[in-house]
Amino acid sequence: GAGVSQSPSNKVTEKGKDVELRCDPISGHTALYWYRQSLGQGLEFLIYFQGNSAPDKSGLPSDRFSAERTGGSVSTLTIQRTQQEDSAVYLCASSLRGFQETQYFGPGTRLLVL
Amino acid sequence: TQLLEQSPQFLSIQEGENLTVYCNSSSVFSSLQWYRQEPGEGPVLLVTVVTGGEVKKLKRLTFQFGDARKDSSLHITAAQPGDTGLYLCAGASAGNNRKLIWGLGTSLAVNP
Repeated sequence: GAGVSQSPSNKVTEKGKDVELRCDPISGHTALYWYRQSLGQGLEFLIYFQGNSAPDKSGLPSDRFSAERTGGSVSTLTIQRTQQEDSAVYLCASSLRGFQETQYFGPGTRLLVL
Repeated sequence: TQLLEQSPQFLSIQEGENLTVYCNSSSVFSSLQWYRQEPGEGPVLLVTVVTGGEVKKLKRLTFQFGDARKDSSLHITAAQPGDTGLYLCAGASAGNNRKLIWGLGTSLAVNP
């Protein structure tokens, strides 16, 4: 079956612009995660959605970052007023139920803020 | 703050050599996962270890979870160019923390 897909695969934007990153999880997976991966920084947890529970937003670095998950499926990560330090690969993952299960990652969106 | 330290950070070896990479922490984990990530792709799960002292084998890869569930190692026998990639370990907290703790990874290059 289809894996996790993300779009766009690459995004170049100017400082101060808003960007939206999209994630389509594996069908039937109730848990969805967003991570940021920067060179030398490893995977940084951003936000976690689990079913109808309130999302765990504890990893969002600032109030410029927000995410939503509509209908328990597709998720959008929005970065407002982008800064150069937001440049990174943004990875989405999904798992069947929770964080201790296998997380299936998408290929990521490479964001470059000029 | 829980941390997972991976070593070495970079490793470049010749085809056929053996290698071991390490994942260490001062914290106890209920389980630990190893992933491999290739350029332009997301990480892919290789194995999950749960029991202290557990050893799992995946073809030429051997994974071990420390007795105290604070550390883990990955040993690759007779490395092949296809083993090239970033190896990441991630620990699940023994507490009710809904996040994995990630190491920074070991970047492995296997030269033909």
